[in-house]
Amino acid sequence: DTAVSQTPKYLVTQMGNDKSIKCEQNLGHDTMYWYKQDSKKFLKIMFSYNNKELIINETVPNRFSPKSPDKAHLNLHINSLELGDSAVYFCASSQGIGTGTNQPQHFGDGTRLSIL
Amino acid sequence: DAKTTQPPSMDCAEGRAANLPCNHSTISGNEYVYWYRQIHSQGPQYIIHGLKNNETNEMASLIITEDRKSSTLILPHATLRDTAVYYCIVTGGATNKLIFGTGTLLAVQP
Repeated sequence: DTAVSQTPKYLVTQMGNDKSIKCEQNLGHDTMYWYKQDSKKFLKIMFSYNNKELIINETVPNRFSPKSPDKAHLNLHINSLELGDSAVYFCASSQGIGTGTNQPQHFGDGTRLSIL
Repeated sequence: DAKTTQPPSMDCAEGRAANLPCNHSTISGNEYVYWYRQIHSQGPQYIIHGLKNNETNEMASLIITEDRKSSTLILPHATLRDTAVYYCIVTGGATNKLIFGTGTLLAVQP
């Protein structure tokens, strides 16, 4: 069984469109994350949710809106897609946050977004 | 910015031990040292983490110096499938945020 699954795996779309990427984890974790890996392979955190509450928002344009309907899901909606949004987006999850509860993050296989 | 410094690339012969160094001279007392790797086109994979003591699991060993300013990840018997970018990350605090640097590209040679 896949622990952290993302859909779709590939997404090719036109500039200006609105698209969503879905993420689900079956590990029973209560914290989920979105990371972006650009063409130069730099991996950077975008958002994190703990128990459906936003805890990290790393200066991401407000065209990006994460939504967590429950602990097992964290979706990413992107409005008005731009060429610079082309990247691989990774979802991750972990059990707990905070000092003394440091736990590893488990990543999905990524969604490759290409903007034409 | 990443709080760690790693060599950009290393080679290792198949079957030999791979020793990947990492400097983290500004690490705080409550921060952990984590190692992840990313095999081409896949998501990052957790390897091991530690606070002060050396750690070992089925994948690797982590040696942390006494002053905690550097560490070494050891893959005891490298295989071709261990070819990947290895990231050393220092993290802790309220958010468990991972800040990835450029990592070390380990190339295991046959």
